Amino acid sequence: EAQVTQNPRYLITVTGKKLTVTCSQNMNHEYMSWYRQDPGLGLRQIYYSMNVEVTDKGDVPEGYKVSRKEKRNFPLILESPSPNQTSLYFCASSISRDSLEAFFGQGTRLTVV
Amino acid sequence: QKEVEQDPGPLSVPEGAIVSLNCTYSNSAFQYFMWYRQYSRKGPELLMYTYSSGNKEDGRFTAQVDKSSKYISLFIRDSQPSDSATYLCAMSVGGANSKLTFGKGITLSVRP
Repeated sequence: EAQVTQNPRYLITVTGKKLTVTCSQNMNHEYMSWYRQDPGLGLRQIYYSMNVEVTDKGDVPEGYKVSRKEKRNFPLILESPSPNQTSLYFCASSISRDSLEAFFGQGTRLTVV
Repeated sequence: QKEVEQDPGPLSVPEGAIVSLNCTYSNSAFQYFMWYRQYSRKGPELLMYTYSSGNKEDGRFTAQVDKSSKYISLFIRDSQPSDSATYLCAMSVGGANSKLTFGKGITLSVRP
């Protein structure tokens, strides 16, 4: 089954404790991205990757890091999480950056206390 | 002014009602217009897309684009409880370096 898999689905952590949210897709897509979704603000892109070893900032990259060492994986790293990073996070993949259809993961609900 | 504006909702309608969901935008370069549907505790999924102005119909759903007014709509006929979800409009200028720009989403509840 074609899918984007994120882990974990739910995470509660403390301020400053480094964490990684994993994302994997099995569709051989070149383009992957991370979004955060907040009430009243909608989906905002954090980082994106157009291919292996090619990553770039989205609209709200501060406080986040990413890497793309393999085509299928695109982890999101929070080196020192803060409460304002409490949000619902989605990983998405598509064939290319200009593809109209993005395939989203199930989401990761992160709470930073 | 944000690039894409969407009525914040929420919206509650009785089963069988006709629903109209709308977005406006400011970037006249947008050429592709999409509607994504997001069920509770799920990621968004592409519902429909249109290119440039005009209408596109898919079953009970009709997507309409008016580029002169920078206004897009999604109509749902004979709405069902299973249509209860958050609907996000998205737009793209097209081309190799373009990206999806999303509206904030509106939550629709269809009452049985």
